[in-house]
Amino acid sequence: GAVVSQHPSRVICKSGTSVKIECRSLDFQATTMFWYRQFPKQSLMLMATSNEGSKATYEQGVEKDKFLINHASLTLSTLTVTSAHPEDSSFYICSARDTRAYEQYFGPGTRLTVT
Amino acid sequence: LAKTTQPISMDSYEGQEVNITCSHNNIATNDYITWYQQFPSQGPRFIIQGYKTKVTNEVASLFIPADRKSSTLSLPRVSLSDTAVYYCLVGALRSNDYKLSFGAGTTVTVRA
Repeated sequence: GAVVSQHPSRVICKSGTSVKIECRSLDFQATTMFWYRQFPKQSLMLMATSNEGSKATYEQGVEKDKFLINHASLTLSTLTVTSAHPEDSSFYICSARDTRAYEQYFGPGTRLTVT
Repeated sequence: LAKTTQPISMDSYEGQEVNITCSHNNIATNDYITWYQQFPSQGPRFIIQGYKTKVTNEVASLFIPADRKSSTLSLPRVSLSDTAVYYCLVGALRSNDYKLSFGAGTTVTVRA
């Protein structure tokens, strides 16, 4: 099946710094990628939809200036958490949609810890 | 997006069949039903997808009645490694606006 990778898998950063998370579709092109956040014992919450070559669409309540999303190519989307705070500590998961097959594949997730 | 309702949790034993029913009363004509499995600290993994009647693959079966207002994921002969959270999602798969929104999911615990 199709593979989506995320890098890094884990990151620890200090409060006030920025962190970039990469999401790549390895064997298919994805015009649309999605970013989710998951807190412990909770379900995945959709943060934003990223379309290649255009601005991301953010879900209600998600700060677009804090969570910067760039989808510069058909295989790469990045999420930058700016001025991170401890409450941003979470599990961030991306997914990529293969529009030829209408399938959506998920990455393994990135554990962010802000100290 | 059609709202889905699933049981919060289910317990089972190794070798048993587990059936998880998901209600989606407001499912639209173009909506498909997709089930994902998630282990702790991992991304969701696709299990099965269907539109109507019955779909079967190497890991599960999906039963969808004629009115499509519910669906049942069937996991045959579960093992300890099937302990996970299972999510039922409904959406217009072929729409450009399609995006998956997750509900609470069903935590399945398989005991020896």
